[in-house]
Amino acid sequence: DSGVTQTPKHLITATGQRVTLRCSPRSGDLSVYWYQQSLDQGLQFLIQYYNGEERAKGNILERFSAQQFPDLHSELNLSSLELGDSALYFCASSVGGGSGGPLNEQFFGPGTRLTVL
Amino acid sequence: GESVGLHLPTLSVQEGDNSIINCAYSNSASDYFIWYKQESGKGPQFIIDIRSNMDKRQGQRVTVLLNKTVKHLSLQIAATQPGDSAVYFCAEILIYGQNFVFGPGTRLSVLP
Repeated sequence: DSGVTQTPKHLITATGQRVTLRCSPRSGDLSVYWYQQSLDQGLQFLIQYYNGEERAKGNILERFSAQQFPDLHSELNLSSLELGDSALYFCASSVGGGSGGPLNEQFFGPGTRLTVL
Repeated sequence: GESVGLHLPTLSVQEGDNSIINCAYSNSASDYFIWYKQESGKGPQFIIDIRSNMDKRQGQRVTVLLNKTVKHLSLQIAATQPGDSAVYFCAEILIYGQNFVFGPGTRLSVLP
């Protein structure tokens, strides 16, 4: 158990809908990272927040947005869902802000499996 | 955390042998690199990282080598065990998480 929790575990929805995925980092971790893993695209970094502020942006679509709240939990919002958005969505957390070294070891949650029908 | 990519390159090694998993990266400006392990049905797990100003780093049973000249990263696992069977990903990162790019992954299969 990494200490990172994600809800829900599974989510099935229809095209055009909007969903929210939630992540609670390990106690004391300030950074939250979101990743998408699909069969055809592999593992992709979406976005990182550090202590409430956006720190880095990766391959995140405009239909997707995220935020990190004062209690450091984070939500990833996916809207106008398409079939191709079906994937596993992982979040990870670290103490540091992403500069390498021991404080930046990332601990991954169990993931949310999103199925868009 | 199902295994990603039905056509991942696969490395099969005998239990007890050493494994070497390779990764080519693309950005010569990347500041550090991470190796992850992903077992079937689970999320990725951090194994070891290395900063760009180093060429070797050792952990417990693992060694990462960085060759910046040819933009190549390798992960060596000593005395490979059945529990090492997984997909291994490398990632290259610009500092503060910028341009965080994963490699396609290599499936390691440990034979009894």
